[in-house]
Amino acid sequence: GAGVSQSPRYKVTKRGQDVALRCDPISGHVSLYWYRQALGQGPEFLTYFNYEAQQDKSGLPNDRFSAERPEGSISTLTIQRTEQRDSAMYRCASSLVISGSSRDEQFFGPGTRLTVL
Amino acid sequence: QKEVEQDPGPLSVPEGAIVSLNCTYSNSAFQYFMWYRQYSRKGPELLMYTYSSGNKEDGRFTAQVDKSSKYISLFIRDSQPSDSATYLCAIGGSARQLTFGSGTQLTVLP
Repeated sequence: GAGVSQSPRYKVTKRGQDVALRCDPISGHVSLYWYRQALGQGPEFLTYFNYEAQQDKSGLPNDRFSAERPEGSISTLTIQRTEQRDSAMYRCASSLVISGSSRDEQFFGPGTRLTVL
Repeated sequence: QKEVEQDPGPLSVPEGAIVSLNCTYSNSAFQYFMWYRQYSRKGPELLMYTYSSGNKEDGRFTAQVDKSSKYISLFIRDSQPSDSATYLCAIGGSARQLTFGSGTQLTVLP
């Protein structure tokens, strides 16, 4: 079956522009996570959802970053007034069961490479 | 100090060698221990997942957790060129957002 998909795969934008990154989780997966991965580093947690409810946004760097998952499926990570330091790979992951349950392995998408000029 | 420290690479071994990859962590509240493999330009994929201290084996891979020392390891036996990738340890607390190590790049030479 289809895995986690993300779009666009690559995004180049100018400083100050807003961007919206989309994540389409595996069908039926309850929990959805957003991570940011710098080159040569592991993913860094940003935020996560159980169904449509945002459970933890402690990893969002500042208030320019926001995320939503209004119908408990597709999620959008929005970065307003982008800055060069926002350039990174943004990864989404989903898990079948609710976060905190056993066997909630996270399956990662291919990521969106964001470059802010 | 980072919450999860991973041995830096890169690591290069001949085919057939036993590979040992290691991470340490600082927060004793961490409960779940995972190893992910990441091929170039791909997302991380889960290799091993364990909750408790001790060893867990899956084919050529063995994950080892020592909670008393806050130390986790991944062993790869009979390493193959197809094992060449970046290996990431990931540790989760009760809420399951994962804290990743920085990754170790492994190359297995034919």
